[in-house]
Amino acid sequence: KAGVTQTPRYLIKTRGQQVTLSCSPISGHRSVSWYQQTPGQGLQFLFEYFSETQRNKGNFPGRFSGRQFSNSRSEMNVSTLELGDSALYLCASSVPGQGSGTGQFFGPGTRLTVL
Amino acid sequence: SQQGEEDPQALSIQEGENATMNCSYKTSINNLQWYRQNSGRGLVHLILIRSNEREKHSGRLRVTLDTSKKSSSLLITASRAADTASYFCATAPTQGGSEKLVFGKGTKLTVNP
Repeated sequence: KAGVTQTPRYLIKTRGQQVTLSCSPISGHRSVSWYQQTPGQGLQFLFEYFSETQRNKGNFPGRFSGRQFSNSRSEMNVSTLELGDSALYLCASSVPGQGSGTGQFFGPGTRLTVL
Repeated sequence: SQQGEEDPQALSIQEGENATMNCSYKTSINNLQWYRQNSGRGLVHLILIRSNEREKHSGRLRVTLDTSKKSSSLLITASRAADTASYFCATAPTQGGSEKLVFGKGTKLTVNP
């Protein structure tokens, strides 16, 4: 099976702009989670989608939003970018039910730089 | 906010030696997972231990879990230069219905050839 793919891999934006990141999960995985990784705050949970519904949300401002499509692909959007949004954004997919023992499968990430 | 705290933050050893990393967490969990991240890349799942398990092995990896102390350790035996990476513990909180993971800040392991 193909792994989790994220596009684009690198992105440079300026303050005030908005950005959309895309994630394609492993075939058959219906849960998609997003994480932000920065040197200062580490890995922080953004949100999780399952069957096109947001199932959980982290402690991020409303500028961060996401959605999931019927084919389980997911997008996240950040509006009115701030310098502090510069980070590696990671997407993870899984088979729901953490008793599966397989953990989550992460994509390579999108490196966002805000100038 | 981070729930887990890894210890040490950085570890440098020689090839062939064992590496031990520790993780502490704060709330009740369903399971605890360990991930590896090579510089600036995605995370790779290494091993998952459930809250009712005390020890688990996978190849050169050994994980222990002490729920009474809210702590876990990851042991990598006979380390190799290719093990150089950052290692993160992640907990799955008991409030159910979500795949959310709470990560620690990680241990940066360097294995010198």
